[in-house]
Amino acid sequence: DTGVSQNPRHKITKRGQNVTFRCDPISEHNRLYWYRQTLGQGPEFLTYFQNEAQLEKSRLLSDRFSAERPKGSFSTLEIQRTEQGDSAMYLCASSLGRDGGFTEAFFGQGTRLTVV
Amino acid sequence: QKEVEQDPGPLSVPEGAIVSLNCTYSNSAFQYFMWYRQYSRKGPELLMYTYSSGNKEDGRFTAQVDKSSKYISLFIRDSQPSDSATYLCAMRDTGGFKTIFGAGTRLFVKA
Repeated sequence: DTGVSQNPRHKITKRGQNVTFRCDPISEHNRLYWYRQTLGQGPEFLTYFQNEAQLEKSRLLSDRFSAERPKGSFSTLEIQRTEQGDSAMYLCASSLGRDGGFTEAFFGQGTRLTVV
Repeated sequence: QKEVEQDPGPLSVPEGAIVSLNCTYSNSAFQYFMWYRQYSRKGPELLMYTYSSGNKEDGRFTAQVDKSSKYISLFIRDSQPSDSATYLCAMRDTGGFKTIFGAGTRLFVKA
């Protein structure tokens, strides 16, 4: 297993266009997270999946954002009608969750989105 | 006010120096305290974590948590140029899945 894989690595889009990012987590990891990171800031939580269920969404995830994880495997994050403020690094992480205790989340290398 | 405050630096030290990185936080529910390292154009990678208060050592790295002061630290001994990266503190409570990150401190270790 080569870790969490994110595609594409870079995306440049015009304002108003829709974009979709893909995340392939580590095999058998039941938990999947999306974060957004802007320059000079730490990652900000966007949403969390346990298997195929989206259990938590941040207020940062406006109506233009939607995330899915069909069959509890890979996940997609779609941004509709992109705005310049959406320019950021979008990070995906996965972990093997269990009740109680700490489990390490492994991050992908991110998708860098530039909206022009 | 942010839940987690971290000085963004940059911090520049000579090779072999002891580095001290710190964060403060406001949410007393936080129980897991983590330090991540992030190289340029890469995702964060976990260095170490601590549960509740206390110290934890792993090689050249020592993490300290003082819950009474809501203050956490990461010490790096014998710093190396390869330690040059952004160090992110992060924390969450025991029941939730949302990890709150600090802004990250950029560290440069000069050979």
